[in-house]
Amino acid sequence: GQQLNQSPQSMFIQEGEDVSMNCTSSSIFNTWLWYKQEPGEGPVLLIALYKAGELTSNGRLTAQFGITRKDSFLNISASIPSDVGIYFCAGNPRTSGSARQLTFGSGTQLTVLP
Amino acid sequence: DGGITQSPKYLFRKEGQNVTLSCEQNLNHDAMYWYRQDPGQGLRLIYYSQIVNDFQKGDIAEGYSVSREKKESFPLTVTSAQKNPTAFYLCASSKAGSNNSPLHFGNGTRLTVT
Repeated sequence: GQQLNQSPQSMFIQEGEDVSMNCTSSSIFNTWLWYKQEPGEGPVLLIALYKAGELTSNGRLTAQFGITRKDSFLNISASIPSDVGIYFCAGNPRTSGSARQLTFGSGTQLTVLP
Repeated sequence: DGGITQSPKYLFRKEGQNVTLSCEQNLNHDAMYWYRQDPGQGLRLIYYSQIVNDFQKGDIAEGYSVSREKKESFPLTVTSAQKNPTAFYLCASSKAGSNNSPLHFGNGTRLTVT
């Protein structure tokens, strides 16, 4: 099946710093999703991207759908302690398919130091 | 408030025993999914159901079984045939057939088999 490479695996940053993480694929995806998972909880959708080149923000979070449709980036500006968690990307090769076709990245564990 | 409820949060079983994980949703979603999460890996799809009384195998269905007798409920049984059952199990739901309907996740059940 399709695979997503997500990096970095983990990050330790100081409060107030900006963060960047990305996912790449060898095949094309037509939808990119970014989720955050806090300890002991299920993932929560942060941003959904449906068009190549699209740049979407949600508060301090900004995600981009790569122009090649093989990658996506998530940036967090001015990090705060509650940003701690695991961030997952997920890609779907179809624009209107079901979640059955979703492939998930392995996650980026973010730790914010005070 | 609408949402997905998984129970119990923690489950301990002896090797060789079957165990059933509960998942209930009141979002009126047609589609429900079970994922397995292991450290450092992306979510992997076990089973999914697009409609009541119908379900399909996901990528790692061996050693698992499900039922979908009611729209709201999608229990997962981890059988003794599952070689490495210890994991974090996530249930999710979405509106069927639409990629624009994001996955809503429960808070997971952590299963430990010794």
